Amino acid sequence: DIQMTQSPSSLSASVGDRVTITCRASQSINIYLNWYQQKPGKAPKVLIYAGSSLQSGVPSRFSGSVSGTDFTLTISSLQPEDFATYYCQQSYSIPYIFGQGTKLEIK
Amino acid sequence: QVQLQESGPGLVKPSETLSLTCTVSGGSVSSYYWSWIRQPPGKGLEWIGYIYYTGSTNYNPSLKSRVTISVDASKNRFSLKLTSVTAADTAVYYCARVTPPHCSSSTCYHWAYFDYWGLGTLVTVSS
Repeated sequence: DIQMTQSPSSLSASVGDRVTITCRASQSINIYLNWYQQKPGKAPKVLIYAGSSLQSGVPSRFSGSVSGTDFTLTISSLQPEDFATYYCQQSYSIPYIFGQGTKLEIK
Repeated sequence: QVQLQESGPGLVKPSETLSLTCTVSGGSVSSYYWSWIRQPPGKGLEWIGYIYYTGSTNYNPSLKSRVTISVDASKNRFSLKLTSVTAADTAVYYCARVTPPHCSSSTCYHWAYFDYWGLGTLVTVSS
């Protein structure tokens, strides 16, 4: 199975900060990497697919980038509604694997 | 707007079978891939498997021996059965749609992300 290592596991930041979350794949997954946001008690919501494509309806402050097997989710200017847990997911091969999650908290 | 709704018992006894159904509205199960994903309390997400409307399935190897996903197009729903459950199977279970291929010109890309989700249902395994 492809392993996904997500970091950091938690992060404290302030409104207006720029934040980056990283996911590293254990082998090449091309750009088959997706990012989700999950708020407490809610289902995850897709933000970014194919490494860097913004899902329709998602604010442009969210962006994704790819460098080899390293994938980054960036939030350019944190808004109050962005405090949540973020997950990456590889969809290159079965089984689809999610990263361990990054909990983004208010500083 | 596609909507998904999970239903089924919230409590299952150890060694018994967990059975859940996902009813789809605003769209047809007779297209696309449909998936089950679970999340133990306070933990991360685990993909369980998916089914195509034709009945073709693919499961997470870690659960494959205990999982069956089926589809009922006449009722526009799909189902999950997980046998021989233990406390480790206690989780919120989500159903979700796997996004259809993105096609341009003669090329289609199967990005396989989950674009519509149900609200989730907590299943507790306990005697």
